[in-house]
Amino acid sequence: EAGVAQSPRYKIIEKRQSVAFWCNPISGHATLYWYQQILGQGPKLLIQFQNNGVVDDSQLPKDRFSAERLKGVDSTLKIQPAKLEDSAVYLCASSWGRGAFFGQGTRLTVV
Amino acid sequence: SQQGEEDPQALSIQEGENATMNCSYKTSINNLQWYRQNSGRGLVHLILIRSNEREKHSGRLRVTLDTSKKSSSLLITASRAADTASYFCATVLGGYQKVTFGTGTKLQVIP
Repeated sequence: EAGVAQSPRYKIIEKRQSVAFWCNPISGHATLYWYQQILGQGPKLLIQFQNNGVVDDSQLPKDRFSAERLKGVDSTLKIQPAKLEDSAVYLCASSWGRGAFFGQGTRLTVV
Repeated sequence: SQQGEEDPQALSIQEGENATMNCSYKTSINNLQWYRQNSGRGLVHLILIRSNEREKHSGRLRVTLDTSKKSSSLLITASRAADTASYFCATVLGGYQKVTFGTGTKLQVIP
């Protein structure tokens, strides 16, 4: 079974630039999560999709972050414009209800 | 916001010893899960315990859940150097299975 795929693995951008991350979940998983993990902390949920609908985005900074999940499969997370404090690992996960499966993450550095 | 808090924050033991990590959380849950994260990698799901279960085993892992105290513990028996990683508890609640992570315990197993 293929795992959750994320790209890119690493990204370095200057503040005020924009960036996008891509996630391909495990086939058949209805739930997709995006998490932000700052070094030394636990992952923080940014947004959760059920199929292609958003069910929780309470911690998503909506003035700069956006996400979509097209046709209930792949998802993209965008940051525009980026700030220094957005430097973190962005993790995508998918689930069918018995535990979440994570991708390797995208390490974003904002300079 | 973090739902769970884990202690200790860091733990260093000799190979062969047992490691115990504790997790406390704030609200009623559907189930509680434990994850492992090796440095620079994504999270790996270890074990899920439902709210009506008190104890669960998987190989060298033993998880307990006390819903009256809103706490859980993860015991790793006969630890190995390969167990060196960060361990996170995650609470799952709501009809859409929102997964919220704790602050994590960093475990070092010394060969």
